[in-house]
Amino acid sequence: QSALTQPASVSGSPGQSITISCTGTSSDVGGYNYVSWYQQHPGKAPKLMIYDVSNRPSGVSNRFSGSKSGNTASLTISGLQAEDEADYYCCSYTSSTTVVFGGGTKLTVL
Amino acid sequence: QVQLQESGPGLVKPSETLSLTCTVSGGSISSYYWSWIRQPPGKGLEWMGYMYYSGSPDYNPSLKSRITISVDTSKNQFSLKVNSVTAADTAVYYCVGWNYALRAFDIWGQGTMVTVSS
Repeated sequence: QSALTQPASVSGSPGQSITISCTGTSSDVGGYNYVSWYQQHPGKAPKLMIYDVSNRPSGVSNRFSGSKSGNTASLTISGLQAEDEADYYCCSYTSSTTVVFGGGTKLTVL
Repeated sequence: QVQLQESGPGLVKPSETLSLTCTVSGGSISSYYWSWIRQPPGKGLEWMGYMYYSGSPDYNPSLKSRITISVDTSKNQFSLKVNSVTAADTAVYYCVGWNYALRAFDIWGQGTMVTVSS
C-alpha cells in the first residue's frame, strides 16, 4: 500500500486559515469516510484531531475542521495560533482492512 | 481512562529480534484494536499492524513477513516482535489503541526509542 500524499509544508500567519490536503485512492480515502487527522508536536505522541472525515473528538477546538471530496481529504485550521505549529498526519482505513498514513505536513505559524 | 505504556530494550543488534510489550491500564483490553505504529527519526508515521483481542491480526503488507502482534488478555498486555532487524528499523515505537467506533487511533503510548546497532 502506498502512503497518502500530503504537502511537505504549509505556513500561515496568526489569525489566518490554512488547509492541508491528503490524497489517496478509491481503495482508501475515496472508498470510505474513515479519514482521521493527527497533530504531533516535537518529541510528543500524536493526538487525534479529526475522525470520520469531519468529526472532532471532545476537547478539540472547533477551529479544526475536516472534509473530503473524491480521493482527497482536507484539514482546515482557522484562526491560526502559535500553538498550532506542529506536524499533521492524515490516515485512512483501506479496502484491505489495513490502515495507511500520509507522509505528514509541517505547519509553520509565521 | 485507558493508558498505555511501552516497555522493552532500547538497543537491538542487527539480524536479531526486536520485542516490545505494551501494558494497558485503566480499561479493558477488549475495548480497542491494539496497534503498533513507528516513526523513524525525522520521518513520518508508519502503521505496522493491529489486532483485536479475539481476532486475527492485520499487518502492513511491507512488514507482514517479519512482524507478529499478539494480545495477552491475562496480563492486559499486547506485544510486537520484529524479526531480522536492520538499521532501517530504528524508530520510536508507539503502542496505540484503534477505536473501532471512531475508526481512529485515539489512545497513544508515550513511545519508546529502539535503535538497531551492533
